[in-house]
Amino acid sequence: NAGVTQTPKFQVLKTGQSMTLQCAQDMNHEYMSWYRQDPGMGLRLIHYSVGAGITDQGEVPNGYNVSRSTTEDFPLRLLSAAPSQTSVYFCASRSIATNEKLFFGSGTQLSVL
Amino acid sequence: AQSVTQPDIHITVSEGASLELRCNYSYGATPYLFWYVQSPGQGLQLLLKYFSGDTLVQGIKGFEAEFKRSQSSFNLRKPSVHWSDAAEYFCAVGGTGTASKLTFGTGTRLQVTL
Repeated sequence: NAGVTQTPKFQVLKTGQSMTLQCAQDMNHEYMSWYRQDPGMGLRLIHYSVGAGITDQGEVPNGYNVSRSTTEDFPLRLLSAAPSQTSVYFCASRSIATNEKLFFGSGTQLSVL
Repeated sequence: AQSVTQPDIHITVSEGASLELRCNYSYGATPYLFWYVQSPGQGLQLLLKYFSGDTLVQGIKGFEAEFKRSQSSFNLRKPSVHWSDAAEYFCAVGGTGTASKLTFGTGTRLQVTL
């Protein structure tokens, strides 16, 4: 059981470049979310989804887009990367029925130069 | 709006000593409360959670936490710390709804001296 899989693990971008962070889960979880982690600021919610075709903004959505075409996948897109988006990004999922806990991926470390 | 405060950024304890990490939350209804641990370069692992019932909850690795509604607190404790407990600890609060979002504190970094 793979759980939540994030790719890539590391990425370096130049300002203005675009890229997509991938997230996939194999637990049939309806709820998926993206967080960014910055020193001294904990984890902040970027976007989340409660099912295929449904997405909503979190605390810090600016500069990021998401879509949810399948239950399994929840990619995060940076359309024009900025140095302020240098961070560690975590994808997390959970079951809506149980609302037990979030399962986290291992993270993507992104540097924008 | 929901929020979590972890007042201690960094704590150092000796191996074998007891530990208490503080967490205060703000939430408009009955909260779901969580403690997660993050080792360097890793994702977050759930230590324990509180939904309802007994206010003292037991978790993995010998950790426990006590929910005190009157103080809006959910402090994490361990009677005897091991060197392998060195990590960053996050308290989080959420609700019961389908789209309930989990809000994290800023974390407490635990250092264990031998």
